[in-house]
Amino acid sequence: AQSVTQLDSQVPVFEEAPVELRCNYSSSVSVYLFWYVQYPNQGLQLLLKYLSGSTLVKGINGFEAEFNKSQTSFHLRKPSVHISDTAEYFCAVTTYNFNKFYFGSGTKLNVKP
Amino acid sequence: GAGVSQTPSNKVTEKGKYVELRCDPISGHTALYWYRQSLGQGPEFLIYFQGTGAADDSGLPNDRFFAVRPEGSVSTLKIQRTERGDSAVYLCASSPPPGQSSEQFFGPGTRLTVL
Repeated sequence: AQSVTQLDSQVPVFEEAPVELRCNYSSSVSVYLFWYVQYPNQGLQLLLKYLSGSTLVKGINGFEAEFNKSQTSFHLRKPSVHISDTAEYFCAVTTYNFNKFYFGSGTKLNVKP
Repeated sequence: GAGVSQTPSNKVTEKGKYVELRCDPISGHTALYWYRQSLGQGPEFLIYFQGTGAADDSGLPNDRFFAVRPEGSVSTLKIQRTERGDSAVYLCASSPPPGQSSEQFFGPGTRLTVL
């Protein structure tokens, strides 16, 4: 089975500062990795995903993530955040058949002016 | 086009009652997932359908939970003899056929409260 750990439940940051949201996973087989965002009062939407190829993945709204197999991590980064990035971010993992997705417990990003 | 819809948006019931939660996936999406999200937690996998069949139901917590997708489109999650611990937001997601995209499209969820 797979599992996902998001080490930070809340991350406060000032507008225009850089941010990194951490995600570590556990799996005995190859995985595919995802980041989803949930804005207040909205459903989950895909930010970016890693399936294969380049380990640096770029997503929507200026976010990027790097797959690090040796450290079993898939941290999400943005060089300069905006107030509108305030949301909850979820890391998720699945395997080759996409039968089952495991989600982390989420990180609430609070961007302050 | 229309996204994933879930009805009702809110459901309040009493302990011991039976409830049904409905999910309408995006047209043409063959994969459908149900998740449960408790307060302060991420979505927890319940069941996955590919077409009409449940390809993986290993996340259903016990035999009070059951889900169907008889025509490969709409799905219903059924909970018998509800308990207070079943209170959560139940999320549905759908995906295109295998090989087209790995993205899941989520519905807004049904908030279930068991009194």
